Amino acid sequence: AQSVAQPEDQVNVAEGNPLTVKCTYSVSGNPYLFWYVQYPNRGLQFLLKYITGDNLVKGSYGFEAEFNKSQTSFHLKKPSALVSDSALYFCAVRGNNAGNMLTFGGGTRLMVKP
Amino acid sequence: GAVVSQHPSWVICKSGTSVKIECRSLDFQATTMFWYRQFPKQSLMLMATSNEGSKATYEQGVEKDKFLINHASLTLSTLTVTSAHPEDSSFYICSARDAGQIYEQYFGPGTRLTVT
Repeated sequence: AQSVAQPEDQVNVAEGNPLTVKCTYSVSGNPYLFWYVQYPNRGLQFLLKYITGDNLVKGSYGFEAEFNKSQTSFHLKKPSALVSDSALYFCAVRGNNAGNMLTFGGGTRLMVKP
Repeated sequence: GAVVSQHPSWVICKSGTSVKIECRSLDFQATTMFWYRQFPKQSLMLMATSNEGSKATYEQGVEKDKFLINHASLTLSTLTVTSAHPEDSSFYICSARDAGQIYEQYFGPGTRLTVT
């Protein structure tokens, strides 16, 4: 069975500082990895994905994530946080079979303080 | 980009009544649609997967007679919560997979259901 762990329920960072939201995964075969952001009472917005290729993936709103196969991690990063980045972030994984479902991590709340 | 809409965005209903939530893919064909449920401050839990023209596949623990899913066309899936109870109050999110892209899933804005 595939699984995703987001070890931090909440991450606090000051505006302008770099941020990291951690994610580790477990899946059979090659992983497809995703990050989504959710604002209050809203659906999920896609940030970025890793399918294959370069381990460093760049996505929306200045976010990026690094795929590390040996550590089975896919941490989300941003060089300079904005207050507007405050939201709930979900990491998700699916296996590389067409029928595989997305499995979500528990979510990490990012709080950026001015 | 691909857009998924949900209607209504929020609904309040009385115990015992049924409520239908629509999920539409606006600019692509969705051969597969997914329904998720999210409790406050929790992650998304997959309820069921539906493929156009066939019966939905429900996750373990999800009552198929209570949560009726219909995927009658490549752009529309509906979730009907039958005989709703207060414990069914939740945030329901649909997602659609583009027939032309096996990697992507696009999410709707969600529907807040409150059962009184």
